[in-house]
Parts: sequence; structure tokens; C-alpha cells
Amino acid sequence: DTEVTQTPKHLVMGMTNKKSLKCEQHMGHRAMYWYKQKAKKPPELMFVYSYEKLSINESVPSRFSPECPNSSLLNLHLHALQPEDSALYLCASSQDSVANQPQHFGDGTRLSIL
Amino acid sequence: GENVEQHPSTLSVQEGDSAVIKCTYSDSASNYFPWYKQELGKRPQLIIDIRSNVGEKKDQRIAVTLNKTAKHFSLHITETQPEDSAVYFCAASGSARQLTFGSGTQLTVLP
Repeated sequence: DTEVTQTPKHLVMGMTNKKSLKCEQHMGHRAMYWYKQKAKKPPELMFVYSYEKLSINESVPSRFSPECPNSSLLNLHLHALQPEDSALYLCASSQDSVANQPQHFGDGTRLSIL
Repeated sequence: GENVEQHPSTLSVQEGDSAVIKCTYSDSASNYFPWYKQELGKRPQLIIDIRSNVGEKKDQRIAVTLNKTAKHFSLHITETQPEDSAVYFCAASGSARQLTFGSGTQLTVLP
């Protein structure tokens, strides 16, 4: 059973659409992450939230906008995406953002941009 | 920043044989080394991790070894089974305090 829940599982959107990905964890973790994963590649870090504050933005284009409404929820707002943004988007959480903390991943949202 | 290299990129073994995947890292400050297994269409699943104050860790058929001097760590799977077939990623967490992943190893266990 996954302890990090992501919705939706699949999303198809046009380049002019606005949509949001959602992630929820109830493990009391205070760090949450967004990763992008292309087929046959490792996850690439996009954003890190620590204690509900954005602590790392890995130079992600502004068409991706993260939001952390509370310690259990993490959203990724999408707008004007490009076909190359099609990928698996993974959310993860850890006890905090200090090194040595295991990160637990959700099942991901498979995003297709038409 | 940290750089993690992983070998081999593909590995095929007969059921019951052992499999070994090796990773090297560049940041001498790295002190946490997890291994993830990702089955097709599934999430990366943490299977074992090791910290820099430990040289070896074992969990049933899976073991990880760490050589800090040489800056490399390895995953060992014994008595492989078809359900071990997946992509395996190593990772290291160093001075940047974020995970840097290796490029992955596609392990196929042949029945």
C-alpha cells in the first residue's frame, strides 16, 4: 500500500489547458517533493517544500507552479504546457529535508500533452 | 554537485543466480545511499538504504555494501526470482542534501 497518494493517475491535456496534480500524505512528514520522470530515466527533482515553504526550485519553467496548502498536501498547477512536458510526475515525502531521510514516492500521475 | 554513475545499464541473470549492481559517487560529503526498485508503470519503491557510518547492510536476499574510501556502493541480490525483474536506481545524498539518482539498471531474471 502506498502511503503517498497522487491524483489523478492519468491526465491528458491540451497546451492551452490549466490543470492541477494533487499529492497527499498522512505520515506526518514535513518535506514534500515533486519529480519528473521520463521513460527509462531516473526521477528529476523539480521542487522541494520543507515545513510548507518552498526551499528548492530546480530552475523549473514557470508553466509549473507548486503549492503547499498544508503539511499533508502538495499541488502542482499546470498551465500552457509543451509536448515535451509529457512524463510521469512523482510526488514524494520524507520526515524532513535534512539528508539521510528516506523518501517515499506516490504512484505518480502520467501526463500526456496533446 | 553530486554525480552518480551506475553500471551495468542492463543485466540478465538466470533465476536463482545472484545479481550485482554498482554505483560510484563524486561528493565525498555524501552520507546516505538508498536503492529503489521500479517495476513497469509503478512508483520507485525504497528497498534498502545505507548510511556512511555502516559498511554493509542486509535484508533477506538483498544486501548493500559501501566503500567510502573508493566512493562506491553496490546492491547484491541473491537467489533471484522473476519478480525481482525491474529497473533499479541507486542514489546518493550529499552536501546539497538532495537525492542524486544513478541512470538505472534494467534487471531481467530469466526463468
